[in-house]
Amino acid sequence: GEDVEQSLFLSVREGDSSVINCTYTDSSSTYLYWYKQEPGAGLQLLTYIFSNMDMKQDQRLTVLLNKKDKHLSLRIADTQTGDSAIYFCAESHGSSNTGKLIFGQGTTLQVKP
Amino acid sequence: DAGVTQSPTHLIKTRGQQVTLRCSPKSGHDTVSWYQQALGQGPQFIFQYYEEEERQRGNFPDRFSGHQFPNYSSELNVNALLLGDSALYLCASSLAPETEAFFGQGTRLTVV
Repeated sequence: GEDVEQSLFLSVREGDSSVINCTYTDSSSTYLYWYKQEPGAGLQLLTYIFSNMDMKQDQRLTVLLNKKDKHLSLRIADTQTGDSAIYFCAESHGSSNTGKLIFGQGTTLQVKP
Repeated sequence: DAGVTQSPTHLIKTRGQQVTLRCSPKSGHDTVSWYQQALGQGPQFIFQYYEEEERQRGNFPDRFSGHQFPNYSSELNVNALLLGDSALYLCASSLAPETEAFFGQGTRLTVV
């Protein structure tokens, strides 16, 4: 079946690291994505990882993938107040990455000054 | 580059009416997907258009239909609106069906 799950809420202090977790069910997914959504806005693609990779780093963002456990995480280093938003993980559906994305329900990140 | 643009940004309709939402993809992109995002939820895939044809469809009734034009822009039509159709409708475009999707700002539809 198709299901992506995330914890709903995370609160951190400015300057700390944030880790947002996600689990997925489709073992044939080839791409996994992280999107950011600010209030009243669309989705901003932050980063993505191929399923044959374990880790991807992009400036303050680190994505870790445990394919065996179907677990994906997004680490934000030196979290800033501007990082406050809802973060969605998404998996591409099927082995051919047809473009259909299955999203989690989103994790609200609150950054306290 | 204007990115993915959607119109209108907000819309209020009455139950039973019909609505058309529009999307212009990012420059150079030929694939458009539509998603529905209910309040407090993640986006749900409606359908995807490529080469002016519906390529894949999610679990939405036939009241939801779409179209892609030769310039790759797209429309989403919803007939016989229900209160439950109130949501943010997101359009995403990509270089090809298999590549990463870039989203527009969305159209907020309220059905009263």
